[in-house]
Amino acid sequence: QKEVEQNSGPLSVPEGAIASLNCTYSDRVSQSFFWYRQYSGKSPELIMSIYSNGDKEDGRFTAQLNKASQYVSLLIRDSQPSDSATYLCAVIKPNTGNQFYFGTGTSLTVIP
Amino acid sequence: GAGVSQSPRYKVAKRGQDVALRCDPISGHVSLFWYQQALGQGPEFLTYFQNEAQLDKSGLPSDRFFAERPEGSVSTLKIQRTQQEDSAVYLCASSLFRGGTDTQYFGPGTRLTVL
Repeated sequence: QKEVEQNSGPLSVPEGAIASLNCTYSDRVSQSFFWYRQYSGKSPELIMSIYSNGDKEDGRFTAQLNKASQYVSLLIRDSQPSDSATYLCAVIKPNTGNQFYFGTGTSLTVIP
Repeated sequence: GAGVSQSPRYKVAKRGQDVALRCDPISGHVSLFWYQQALGQGPEFLTYFQNEAQLDKSGLPSDRFFAERPEGSVSTLKIQRTQQEDSAVYLCASSLFRGGTDTQYFGPGTRLTVL
């Protein structure tokens, strides 16, 4: 079982719609959760981090964490064509040297 | 510098050659990580430094892979006797502190192609 699972997509949404990206993790003691965006041929760039159950909002982005269900999601409101990228979910487990465990990423296309 | 830098950005090696990949982290960042990203996959952890100490090298795929950070700043990932399966993007990331909640900032990566 992989540490972090994501639906690889591709996910297509029309411009202006809400894009919903989902991620599950296998180790219940995981403590820190991150969403990165990666454009083709580029390095991952941080969108949001979340550490506590509930929602965290930053502009058009909302991260949601449910530790009981071992589930973290990212909502993108008012999706723009520039949001088209691969979205990587990353998890840190305690006592593992702070390394990130990444999912395979979900490819998002926002259609103008 | 303003961000994490890596060099070279692209490297083509013949099978059996040795390569050295360089990472220059954000100034003052304590932690440094190396990841390997195959096409269509998420990054996979290779190794982790805290200052000059290599605290975790459990992700290095074989003894052909070696990493160092002798002065606690610049790091080099060396791959000996490269094989075709080593072809990937090698990402370096740094973070400010030692804590488990720390954001990691990634460099642009080195794309290694082994022929």
